[in-house]
Amino acid sequence: GQNIDQPTEMTATEGAIVQINCTYQTSGFNGLFWYQQHAGEAPTFLSYNVLDGLEEKGRFSSFLSRSKGYSYLLLKELQMKDSASYLCAVSDSNYQLIWGAGTKLIIKP
Amino acid sequence: DGGITQSPKYLFRKEGQNVTLSCEQNLNHDAMYWYRQDPGQGLRLIYYSQIVNDFQKGDIAEGYSVSREKKESFPLTVTSAQKNPTAFYLCAREMTQYFGPGTRLLVL
Repeated sequence: GQNIDQPTEMTATEGAIVQINCTYQTSGFNGLFWYQQHAGEAPTFLSYNVLDGLEEKGRFSSFLSRSKGYSYLLLKELQMKDSASYLCAVSDSNYQLIWGAGTKLIIKP
Repeated sequence: DGGITQSPKYLFRKEGQNVTLSCEQNLNHDAMYWYRQDPGQGLRLIYYSQIVNDFQKGDIAEGYSVSREKKESFPLTVTSAQKNPTAFYLCAREMTQYFGPGTRLLVL
């Protein structure tokens, strides 16, 4: 079957760096997405990786290794507003998104 | 809003009642999607449509129905056959990069 794994919850300190991991097993691969979702709101798109390597966008970076079925989202200079759930999703061979359950990130002062 | 709107924000359903959730987009995109989100679970695909007058079942279509009579509109009906409808419903466009604000459905 198809599976996306990410930690349920993580805690970090304001101003620090945190890495949220995502591992996947899917039938085919057409890219990996990261989304941010604040409580009670819809997810918002953060990044898309289809080739191996690191993509940087301001304080957020996303890394992909297709051979390892692995990705991470790196958040630098954490701010209180970064407290949210972070969702990992993989586009499979049919271009359908398979979703992880999300990682709840708690930022402490 | 990413060019996609949903209404209402909250919806209450009585036992045996059908309810319809609205999803509208103003960017002339072909593909639209409906997802359901439950606490502690990943998003699950209910239905999707890639062209007017055509739609496909997702992983959990039972108890739901959709229509796509116009390109800009993709309403979802939660029928009385859906026994556990309480969830957060999300509509999305174009490879799910952009979501509407969502509708939270609660059962009275």
